[in-house]
This record gives sequence, structure tokens and C-alpha cells, in this order.
Amino acid sequence: DIQMTQSPSSLSASVGDRVTITCQASQDVSRYLNWYQHKPGRAPKLLFYDASNLQAGVPSRFSGSGSGTDFTFTINSLQPEDIATYYCQQFHTLPYTFGQGTKLEIK
Amino acid sequence: EVQLVESGGGPVKPGGSLRLSCAASGFTFKSYSMNWVRQAPGKGLEWVSAISSDSDYIYYAESVRGRFTISRDNAKSSLYLHMNSLRAEETAVYYCARDLVVGATRGTFDIWGQGTMVIVSS
Repeated sequence: DIQMTQSPSSLSASVGDRVTITCQASQDVSRYLNWYQHKPGRAPKLLFYDASNLQAGVPSRFSGSGSGTDFTFTINSLQPEDIATYYCQQFHTLPYTFGQGTKLEIK
Repeated sequence: EVQLVESGGGPVKPGGSLRLSCAASGFTFKSYSMNWVRQAPGKGLEWVSAISSDSDYIYYAESVRGRFTISRDNAKSSLYLHMNSLRAEETAVYYCARDLVVGATRGTFDIWGQGTMVIVSS
């Protein structure tokens, strides 16, 4: 199985900060990489597909980039409603696998 | 409104069985591949199974293959997960999720339900 490793596992930042999460795949997944936002008690939400394609309705302060084994997810100006756990997920090879998650908190 | 609503979760003893259901509305269910994804307490997301729009292609995580069965009824816009020989470590919230692209089993989940909790305990 392809292992997805996110860094950091948790992150505390202030409103307005730029926040970056990285995701590394154990083998090349090309651009078959998605990012999700998950708030407690809510359904996960697709933010990006194919590494950098913003899903409809997602604010433009979010961005995604990368290919191969190394990917980056950025929030350009952190807002209070962005508090959540963020997951990367590869769909290059079955089984689809997720990173362990990055829990984002407000300072 | 596009919506997925899971049901059928609850307590079950180790070794027991349970059938989860997912009712879809607001979109043409028969055109999309569907998936089950779970999250154990305090853990991350884990993909469990996928089924193509016409049920021709079915995939499972290795950990559930042979014990879980995914199925769908396009006439009823419903997805199912029949789980046998359940283990304590399979205690989790189980989500159904729609695949992004019509007609493709792509592994990109754009619509999710709220989840149904399965508790495997003696």
C-alpha cells in the first residue's frame, strides 16, 4: 500500500497567519492527490482534487500544489472557521490511502 | 440538495454482523461510483470499499476483504455495506461517499454523508 505521511500532525496558528501542511507519498502518485477538511461531527469536505484543482465553493485562500511524492497545502490567511483536521489522500493505486491528518488549532 | 444519509449503525458483539445503508438524493445515483470510508475513534480516515455505478467493479481494503460486501440498488438510490465477523478494532464512524466523476471509479470523494457509528464490543 502507498503510505501517506503528513507534517506536522498538529499545528497552532493565529488568525491571519499563513499555514502550510506537507504530504509525502511513499511512491510516485503523479498528481492523483486530494485534500479534505474534516470538522468534528461533520462530513469531510473535498477541498482539492488532482493536487491543485480547487473544488467548487472552496475559498481561494486555500491552495494546493505538488506532484510525484511531495505535496503542499496552504491557507493564505487563516480564519477561525478553518479550524479542522486536514487529510491528504492518494488515488493513484488501490487501496486509496489517507495521511494521518493534521489538526489545526487557533492560538 | 445533494445528500447522503447513512443508517444501520449500532452496537454489535465481536463476530457479529451488521448491514449499513446509505440513501442518496438530489443527484442521479445510478451514474456515480460510491464508496465506504471509516474513522475509528481518535484515528484518521480509512477507505473501506468502492463500487462502480453499474456494480461491475467492486474493490475492498485488504483488511475487510472476504468479510464485508458492498452492494447498491440503483432503483432505490441506495448503497449498502454488509459486514460480517466484526472485530473490536472496526468500531468506527462509517461514511458513504460519492466519487467525483460521473461514470468513473476515481477515488475522489466529493459528497459525504454524516456517518453512522458502529460499536463492536462484548
